[in-house]
Amino acid sequence: NAGVTQTPKFQVLKTGQSMTLQCAQDMNHEYMSWYRQDPGMGLRLIHYSVGAGITDQGEVPNGYNVSRSTTEDFPLRLLSAAPSQTSVYFCASSYYGLPGNTIYFGEGSWLTVV
Amino acid sequence: AQTVTQSQPEMSVQEAETVTLSCTYDTSESDYYLFWYKQPPSRQMILVIRQEAYKQQNATENRFSVNFQKAAKSFSLKISDSQLGDAAMYFCACNTGANSKLTFGKGITLSVRP
Repeated sequence: NAGVTQTPKFQVLKTGQSMTLQCAQDMNHEYMSWYRQDPGMGLRLIHYSVGAGITDQGEVPNGYNVSRSTTEDFPLRLLSAAPSQTSVYFCASSYYGLPGNTIYFGEGSWLTVV
Repeated sequence: AQTVTQSQPEMSVQEAETVTLSCTYDTSESDYYLFWYKQPPSRQMILVIRQEAYKQQNATENRFSVNFQKAAKSFSLKISDSQLGDAAMYFCACNTGANSKLTFGKGITLSVRP
């Protein structure tokens, strides 16, 4: 009963390093997305995908890259990490990108950039 | 674009009593859904309740109910018979359009006094 799985759970990066946050879901959901959560800001949408091969930008896409080669996986890449990207990252998925569909969240990935 | 406003950063309630968390939103869409999410210290995002804009009847889920005032664009959450396990951060969110873009408020931290 995995649902949405994110790895790693915790990561410390140095400024300028690159890394990939992995996200996988086993519910055959078409829609997947990435959010970041900062203190006092709520969750903000970074990128989303409505199906394999299709991605689009959300509210705060700068500094992040995504791709969707399979239905199950939606990795988030930080190409050159900056301290401003210190945050908690959530991956989410739903059956279709319809406003009423239940959105399932992963458990979050804590990223610190020093 | 939609906005969600939670103006109270913190609230406190005595165990077994009732508390209401406020939320206002703004959207130009006619088809939208409103949600309350609970985030305990584990940071997991838990769906508490959802409301479809077309439905006049307020949603209820056990001890949780909403007061949906569409004209006023208000969506408050009432928690009855508060329990210690209700202590968490609560986010109000709005979802519109075909791409399931959740817009979150900044959240409110609820503490429950024994």
